[in-house]
Amino acid sequence: AQSVTQLGSHVSVSEGALVLLRCNYSSSVPPYLFWYVQYPNQGLQLLLKYTSAATLVKGINGFEAEFKKSETSFHLTKPSAHMRDAAEYFCAVTGHGSGNTGKLIFGQGTTLQVKP
Amino acid sequence: ETGVTQTPRHLVMGMTNKKSLKCEQHLGHNAMYWYKQSAKKPLELMFVYSLEERVENNSVPSRFSPECPNSSHLFLHLHTLQPEDSALYLCASSQGRFNTGELFFGEGSRLTVL
Repeated sequence: AQSVTQLGSHVSVSEGALVLLRCNYSSSVPPYLFWYVQYPNQGLQLLLKYTSAATLVKGINGFEAEFKKSETSFHLTKPSAHMRDAAEYFCAVTGHGSGNTGKLIFGQGTTLQVKP
Repeated sequence: ETGVTQTPRHLVMGMTNKKSLKCEQHLGHNAMYWYKQSAKKPLELMFVYSLEERVENNSVPSRFSPECPNSSHLFLHLHTLQPEDSALYLCASSQGRFNTGELFFGEGSRLTVL
């Protein structure tokens, strides 16, 4: 079984500051991990994904995330926030290998506010 | 055209009405999904169709009835809904059921039940 916990339902940063959104996962099988973004009044869009290749994954819009198995974490970062980054961000996990149900499990989401 | 299109974008209905949500994907995918997004709750997977066959039904009340006539279209038929069913309903598609987890979402249908 898999689960995801996003630490902090709301994160506020100043424009140009570092963005750090935290995600911890639990999985009984090797995980695939994802970050999705939802802009206001839109559906979810894939930012990046980890599928057991490189542990540092680069995504769209300057975001990246690092898979740390020892910490069961997949935190999302961006060196410099832009106003257009204001959105809701979802971490998600699914498993692969034996025991995989294929189901994508989402966290509760983190709202990122960017202040001018 | 955008990859996944949902209509209507907004819907207000009474508890005794019957309405339908429509989803169409133009990506050539063979799996489609309905998710429910409520405030302060994780996305809830409702239904999964793979090759037009329903492969998952996550204990969704019978007042929600999905239909997948072909691999490009997905409907969610609604009847005798409750106010707690008010939410954003998201349609998604993928190549292969879940596969590597990359889903393509529509913009959602915002449902309000009075």
